[in-house]
Amino acid sequence: SQQGEEDPQALSIQEGENATMNCSYKTSINNLQWYRQNSGRGLVHLILIRSNEREKHSGRLRVTLDTSKKSSSLLITASRAADTASYFCATDPSGGSNYKLTFGKGTLLTVNP
Amino acid sequence: DVKVTQSSRYLVKRTGEKVFLECVQDMDHENMFWYRQDPGLGLRLIYFSYDVKMKEKGDIPEGYSVSREKKERFSLILESASTNQTSMYLCASSTQGRGSPLHFGNGTRLTVT
Repeated sequence: SQQGEEDPQALSIQEGENATMNCSYKTSINNLQWYRQNSGRGLVHLILIRSNEREKHSGRLRVTLDTSKKSSSLLITASRAADTASYFCATDPSGGSNYKLTFGKGTLLTVNP
Repeated sequence: DVKVTQSSRYLVKRTGEKVFLECVQDMDHENMFWYRQDPGLGLRLIYFSYDVKMKEKGDIPEGYSVSREKKERFSLILESASTNQTSMYLCASSTQGRGSPLHFGNGTRLTVT
């Protein structure tokens, strides 16, 4: 069953602009992770935020988590053409097996040079 | 760096054939996973394994089986391939522990004709 749902499905911006992607989920979670997938490749882990955290930074990435709204956002600042990829959120539900991350359908980000 | 290697990037098989997809990881990870990725459906978990010879069904195990005889190798088996199993198959591994990131291979694009 799908837990996380990303929004928007697709986003097109110019190089240098910021990109914001959102993820909503349905049940309580232990943590939420964001992954990137370049075309035709596997997913790469970007960042993890735990349920007791509200914000986390890693380089040009900023992730927020609002457990009351069951939502998360991923902000990429000063985007580059190389950021063009699909971005997925993955949730680790509370009470569930810690093996079973559930992925959303992804946001396709296009950064135009 | 963790390396997860899937034996084939592209595979074309006929309906009814028995198909083996192989995955090897080099970081002594306890957990290994098989996902399939389809447009509009995101990633769906087929099977996972948390130890040698141990396996658990994911969300869509029907038509698939798995084998984990050695810690580094996790095989996905399509007993009798069908056209609705045409998809991108992604293998991943992780260490034990909640929140451990998944490390993905580059995927096998399987076409069943």
